[in-house]
Amino acid sequence: AQSVTQLDSQVPVFEEAPVELRCNYSSSVSVYLFWYVQYPNQGLQLLLKYLSGSTLVKGINGFEAEFNKSQTSFHLRKPSVHISDTAEYFCAVSEAGSNYQLIWGAGTKLIIKP
Amino acid sequence: EAQVTQNPRYLITVTGKKLTVTCSQNMNHEYMSWYRQDPGLGLRQIYYSMNVEVTDKGDVPEGYKVSRKEKRNFPLILESPSPNQTSLYFCASRKSGTGNDQPQHFGDGTRLSIL
Repeated sequence: AQSVTQLDSQVPVFEEAPVELRCNYSSSVSVYLFWYVQYPNQGLQLLLKYLSGSTLVKGINGFEAEFNKSQTSFHLRKPSVHISDTAEYFCAVSEAGSNYQLIWGAGTKLIIKP
Repeated sequence: EAQVTQNPRYLITVTGKKLTVTCSQNMNHEYMSWYRQDPGLGLRQIYYSMNVEVTDKGDVPEGYKVSRKEKRNFPLILESPSPNQTSLYFCASRKSGTGNDQPQHFGDGTRLSIL
């Protein structure tokens, strides 16, 4: 993967509203795709991953993401957010067969408004 | 409990004073990595290690050193820290697996301030 773009640096949304965090990547080969979440003052933890198979991937805490190969996107969605979802979300991509490195997006801060 | 442990969590120091940030994992992972996180830049890889005695540069290795003498430990060394190395640092590890499809496990981070 040459680059990963998270189009929004911040996304404010009201509690119980749906949210979509966008991620696009550029690569000419097969890729593995990851979303990580970073809660305040913590390290990153895996939210979900796409390796192969079904393009709709379900993760922890009610999040899901859809891999769209033609649009080279891997957007993260949740139908109803909670205050506890306040965090920064990172999209990461690795190319199958590469030297094990991840390419990271710049992150999107999800801000939940009460 | 499976975890990656970094120490210290916070450190304020002065320019030129050598420091080491330790990282230890208890999951018998082959691969370990150091990142720095800066606002608006996401995570940038400093160094990584595929296994014991095997290390390689990441995207921003200047001013840093690492070693991998044991599988569980991967210390990050700043021989002569400078203010531009003020940042939040993360250590991560993962199994090597059959390719790069294994998720990484992260420590809680070390916030370094170089005055």
